[in-house]
This record gives sequence, structure tokens and C-alpha cells, in this order.
Amino acid sequence: ELKVEQNPLFLSMQEGKNYTIYCNYSTTSDRLYWYRQDPGKSLESLFVLLSNGAVKQEGRLMASLDTKARLSTLHITAAVHDLSATYFCAVDSDYNTDKLIFGTGTRLQVFP
Amino acid sequence: NAGVTQTPKFRVLKTGQSMTLLCAQDMNHEYMYWYRQDPGMGLRLIHYSVGEGTTAKGEVPDGYNVSRLKKQNFLLGLESAAPSQTSVYFCASSYSRARPNEQFFGPGTRLTVL
Repeated sequence: ELKVEQNPLFLSMQEGKNYTIYCNYSTTSDRLYWYRQDPGKSLESLFVLLSNGAVKQEGRLMASLDTKARLSTLHITAAVHDLSATYFCAVDSDYNTDKLIFGTGTRLQVFP
Repeated sequence: NAGVTQTPKFRVLKTGQSMTLLCAQDMNHEYMYWYRQDPGMGLRLIHYSVGEGTTAKGEVPDGYNVSRLKKQNFLLGLESAAPSQTSVYFCASSYSRARPNEQFFGPGTRLTVL
């Protein structure tokens, strides 16, 4: 059974600092997705990573995928308050199923 | 395009009442999903559909039923609501396994069962 673990679960960081959120998964997969959720809102797609070594960047966020290590990272550069949200990773379990397995989320708070 | 829409946005039920949540998408997606989100539990898959007329159970299907009579609509039914079904319900849709299974989410329905 595929399991997806994120850490940390909660992250409080100062504006201007850098940090990384980790997403580990338990079985083989080469498709991984990152989502953002603002409080009381829906989930918004951030990145789609489709192969080993894939790297995507948008503004202060950069996501990468290492399928051999079964690990994806979401790196935050010079955090700003607007990045405060909950971030979820989700893994395409395998080619015999049609479901994404979501991590439990990382709640990020950026303070001045 | 409206994307994924959900009706209603909020609902309060009494224990034992029934209701149907409607999800509609205008992106011609094959796959549709119903999730519930509870504090500290992340997203849990209730039921999903890989095409018109097909449905399958997810992680937490008990107490829910679904139907996909039209490709663009996916209905989630609660036959006899229980307080444990108090949650935020999200619908999502995606193309298919042939393409990246990036899911697009609706705005959510906040359901309270008293």
C-alpha cells in the first residue's frame, strides 16, 4: 500500500528565510504533484513532476523529484507572508490504479 | 470555463436526513473524485469514477453512494447522515491515466450534521 509522508507537518518561518518541505513515498512512482491550500479555500495545483530529476520553479518555490530515493522536495526561497498556506504533495500510485495518494500536508506560516 | 463547481457550498443536516452533493466539470475530464477533508487528516478519497456510468470505492466509502450518469457530473449521496460525516467535501476531476493525473478541485462543500 502506497503511503505518502510529509515533513514537517507545521513550519513557522521568518520572512526572508529559506526552507524545504519533504515528501517521501513508499512505492515506485514517477508522477508527483504539489498543491497549495489557503485557509477555507480549495486546493490549487502548483507543480506537476513527471520524471526522475524533474525540477519546476515558480517564483519563490522550487519543486524537485528523485524517484530512486522516492523523495520530492519543495524549496522556499526568501519566504514572504503571501506563501503562508498548507502545501500537499500527492503521488500517482502506479499504472494499475487511477488514484492519487495525498500526504497529510505541511502548514506553513511566514511571519515578519 | 467554470472548471469544477460544487453545489451547495454549505449545508446543515440533522442526523438521519439525506442529501446529494453535485459536482460538475466543463473540462471534458474522464475521471472524477470525491474527497473529504477533516482537520489533521488530510484528504481522504470517498469514491471515484473513471468514466460515465462507472464508479469505484475509495478509502472511506461507507455511508456514501455516488452516481456518474453524465460525463460532466458526479453526485455524492448521503442516505442517512451521521455526525461523523461532518466535514468539508471536495470534488476533483482529471483527464485520464494516459495524461498526467493532475487533479483540479472544486471550491468545496462544508457540511455539518447535528
